[in-house]
Order: sequence, then structure tokens, then C-alpha cells
Amino acid sequence: EIVMTQSPATLSVSPGERATLSCRASQSVSGNLAWFQLQPGQAPRLLIFGASTRATGIPARFRGSGSGTEFTLTISSLQSEDFAVYYCHQYHNWPRTFGQGTKVEIK
Amino acid sequence: QVQLVQSGAEVKKPGASVKVSCKVSGYRFTELSMHWVRQAPGKGLEWMGGFDPEEDENIYAQKFQGRVTMSEDTSTDTAYMELSSLRSEDTAIYFCARLQFLGWFDPWGQGTLVTVSS
Repeated sequence: EIVMTQSPATLSVSPGERATLSCRASQSVSGNLAWFQLQPGQAPRLLIFGASTRATGIPARFRGSGSGTEFTLTISSLQSEDFAVYYCHQYHNWPRTFGQGTKVEIK
Repeated sequence: QVQLVQSGAEVKKPGASVKVSCKVSGYRFTELSMHWVRQAPGKGLEWMGGFDPEEDENIYAQKFQGRVTMSEDTSTDTAYMELSSLRSEDTAIYFCARLQFLGWFDPWGQGTLVTVSS
């Protein structure tokens, strides 16, 4: 099983500032990495797939990068609706696994 | 556009079973591969299992082997996840999600809260 480790667990950011979230895989997942946003009471929202491709309708302020074992999600100029929990997810093989999440909160 | 609408919240006693449904609209149900993911209170997302189109069969996370059954009713375009021998640790929000051709999950259902309590 591939273990996904996210850091930090919590990120305190002021609106308008940049947030940088990290995700590390215990072995290479190539580019088979997705990012999801989870708001309370809502369905998880796909932000990024293929490590760096934005999903349909996702604003350009969300940028994914990385390959192999090290990945980053950058949210430039945080908006109020961006404060949420973010999960990375590998779909390189079975079982599918997720990171433990990074909570982005208002500073 | 594919939409997944799940059944309502459930409260179950320890040892009971729960069956959660996920109705699909906007796509040919027979061409979908459905998966299930859960989130326990204060915890992260946990993949439970789903249909593997390469193997043409359901696959389950080892943790749930023998306790979970995933099925579908093509006449109503509905997928089901049944979890048996419930314990308090199974209290969670259960999501259905479509497995995309290249491997990620999208879209997701709105979630079903299952509470296990005596």
C-alpha cells in the first residue's frame, strides 16, 4: 500500500495570501496524483488530476506540480471559499490511498 | 453531466447492517465504475472498494473484506454499498464516486452519514 503524507496538518493563511500544501508518496506514483477540496457537508471536489491538470471549472489560482513522490498544491491569493480541507490522492495502483489532509484556515 | 445522489442518513445499532444507495443520472449507468470512500469524524478519506474495469470485478480494501458488499441495479441506475457487523468505528460519512477512465474519482455523491450507536 502506498502511504500518502501531507504537510502541514493545518495552514493558517490570510485572505489574499498564498498557500502551499505538500504531499509525499511512500513510493513513486508517477503523475497519478489528484487533489480534492472538502467542505463540511459537501461532496469532495476534484481540483487537480495528473498532478498538474486543473479539473473543469477550477480557477487558475489552483496550481498542482510535482511527480514521482513529491507533489505540491499552490493556491495563490486565497479567497474566502478556499478555506477548507485538502486531500491528495494517488491512483497509481490499488488500494487507492489518500493523504490525511491539510486544513487551510483563516489567519 | 453525471450526477450521483445518495440515500439519507442512517442510525444503526452495533452488529446490524446498513445499505447505502447512490443513484446515477446523466450517464449510461452500465458504463460507470462506482467506488465507495468514507470519512470518519475527525479523520481523512478512506477508500473502501469498487468496480475494477480491468479485472471486471469488484475489489475491496483488505480492511473491509468479508464485511462489505457492493452491487448495482441497472434497472434503476443505482449502486449500493452494504456494510455488515457494524461497530462504533464505522460511524462515518460514506461517499460514492465514479472512477474515471484514467483512474481518479469524479464526481462524488453528496455523502450519507451512518451513525452506529447503541
